[in-house]
Amino acid sequence: SQELEQSPQSLIVQEGKNLTINCTSSKTLYGLYWYKQKYGEGLIFLMMLQKGGEEKSHEKITAKLDEKKQQSSLHITASQPSHAGIYLCGADNNNDMRFGAGTRLTVKP
Amino acid sequence: NAGVTQTPKFQVLKTGQSMTLQCAQDMNHEYMSWYRQDPGMGLRLIHYSVGAGITDQGEVPNGYNVSRSTTEDFPLRLLSAAPSQTSVYFCASSYSPVTISPLHFGNGTRLTVT
Repeated sequence: SQELEQSPQSLIVQEGKNLTINCTSSKTLYGLYWYKQKYGEGLIFLMMLQKGGEEKSHEKITAKLDEKKQQSSLHITASQPSHAGIYLCGADNNNDMRFGAGTRLTVKP
Repeated sequence: NAGVTQTPKFQVLKTGQSMTLQCAQDMNHEYMSWYRQDPGMGLRLIHYSVGAGITDQGEVPNGYNVSRSTTEDFPLRLLSAAPSQTSVYFCASSYSPVTISPLHFGNGTRLTVT
């Protein structure tokens, strides 16, 4: 089955700084999803990437998919306290979705 | 919009007790699934369903049963609770099998088994 490894496991940044979270797959990626989770809540869908080289942005969050490297990155520009939470990547594994362990982001004001 | 609704939000069980975690969605989604989330292990798939009357096992199905009699509901049953089942459980749904559309998640049920 597909395994997804996220790095780093946790990240503490000062407000206003940029940051990148990586997600590496053990298998070819046919679709990669990014979610955000706030403590005590469910996951909120951020973006879906389906094609190699695809890049999507939503407000200050940009995600890219590198099919050859079997990797996706999530970049946050000028981080804000509202960006704090756990970011998880997910990928299709034959009719079910598998997730990475998540990256816990703390943004210090 | 209700989306995916899970009940209860919190539950404490004693070892050996049984219970059902409820999940309902009002988006007419065909695909539904149950995950458990444990520290350091991310989300692990328990069971899933691609439509009413169809269910299948995920990564960690032992100790859990599911059924899908309607499109809207996908209950998860713990047959005989064990401390290893202490976890946060999430129900999720999507319009079609996950290769096409993203999952919508409920807010979770936090279960403690003593």
